[in-house]
Amino acid sequence: NAGVTQTPKFQVLKTGQSMTLQCAQDMNHNSMYWYRQDPGMGLRLIYYSASEGTTDKGEVPNGYNVSRLNKREFSLRLESAAPSQTSVYFCASSEAGLAGRNEQFFGPGTRLTVL
Amino acid sequence: DAKTTQPPSMDCAEGRAANLPCNHSTISGNEYVYWYRQIHSQGPQYIIHGLKNNETNEMASLIITEDRKSSTLILPHATLRDTAVYYCIAAKYSSASKIIFGSGTRLSIRP
Repeated sequence: NAGVTQTPKFQVLKTGQSMTLQCAQDMNHNSMYWYRQDPGMGLRLIYYSASEGTTDKGEVPNGYNVSRLNKREFSLRLESAAPSQTSVYFCASSEAGLAGRNEQFFGPGTRLTVL
Repeated sequence: DAKTTQPPSMDCAEGRAANLPCNHSTISGNEYVYWYRQIHSQGPQYIIHGLKNNETNEMASLIITEDRKSSTLILPHATLRDTAVYYCIAAKYSSASKIIFGSGTRLSIRP
């Protein structure tokens, strides 16, 4: 099992360019999430998808769009990148278990720099 | 989700128990306490969770006060590999738990 995979690992963009961050999980989880982490800060939730076909906004959705392509894949799109979107982006997945266990499994992250 | 408060940093000697406190005075009855940690620049890793009883697993123990307004994560024998940022989170259990990460506690283990 690869767990949660993210591509690319690193990316440099110019202001105004667009790109899509890819995320896939092979654990058959229903729920998937996108976070960003700025230097020295905690993670902030951008969007999440409780199940295939649904998506919801998190804390900081502005400037982003998401697509839950199928149960395995959840992509994050920046339509017009801005320097304020320079960050590390983490994808995660989870499956509700017994007695409140709902741990999220995280990918290795994508380090994005917008010049 | 209830807000949590943690000290920004702590240190502990290798081999000793590391006790990380967390305040969650506004936690509601259906919110669990979850702990994650983030080692260096990796993705966060789940450690443990609890509702009102104390919990223990292979990584750590979680002590929740009777009034549920605070909790303590205990790493019984800290090693250098436990150096990380530890996040305490209060969240409802559902099919999609929206986890709100705060700033966490940066734990440094000294040799």
